[in-house]
Amino acid sequence: EAGVVQSPRYKIIEKKQPVAFWCNPISGHNTLYWYRQNLGQGPELLIRYENEEAVDDSQLPKDRFSAERLKGVDSTLKIQPAELGDSAVYLCASSYGQGTEETQYFGPGTRLLVL
Amino acid sequence: AQSVTQLGSHVSVSEGALVLLRCNYSSSVPPYLFWYVQYPNQGLQLLLKYTSAATLVKGINDFEAEFKKSETSFHLTKPSAHMSDAAEYFCAVSAPGYALNFGKGTSLLVTP
Repeated sequence: EAGVVQSPRYKIIEKKQPVAFWCNPISGHNTLYWYRQNLGQGPELLIRYENEEAVDDSQLPKDRFSAERLKGVDSTLKIQPAELGDSAVYLCASSYGQGTEETQYFGPGTRLLVL
Repeated sequence: AQSVTQLGSHVSVSEGALVLLRCNYSSSVPPYLFWYVQYPNQGLQLLLKYTSAATLVKGINDFEAEFKKSETSFHLTKPSAHMSDAAEYFCAVSAPGYALNFGKGTSLLVTP
């Protein structure tokens, strides 16, 4: 079974430029998460989707970040414009079911460097 | 609100020695607790989880953790460290209606 797929794996951009990350969850997983992991820290939730609905986006900086999961499968996270402080690893995870005890499976992440 | 505190950002053990990684949690409701491992340039992999069943939880690669409500702890142990166990370990807490909150991580170094 294929795991969570993310692309690109690495991205270097200059500040004020836009950037987008893509995630394809495990087949059949209805819940999708985007996390940001700063250097030396644990992941922090940005947004959670149940199918195509964003059910928790309270930690998403909505002035510059946006996300979509149009058909309830793959998802895109966008930053526009990027700032130096956005340099981090962006992780996507998926799970089956709606309970928060459900196991989340993580992708390898996209490492973003903003210069 | 929920949170976890991982005691010790770096732990070093000799190959074959006991591994003990400490995690204390804070939760206003009965928690679910998790340990994840992250190898360099990879995503997080679940080692084990506690969801209100048996308090001693066994995971992959001979890791186990014990939920102790009186001590609000969920420490991770392994009887004998292997070189391949060197990685970053994250404790996390959640509950129905709450997001998964991670600790800051503990980097495990295994020396020959």
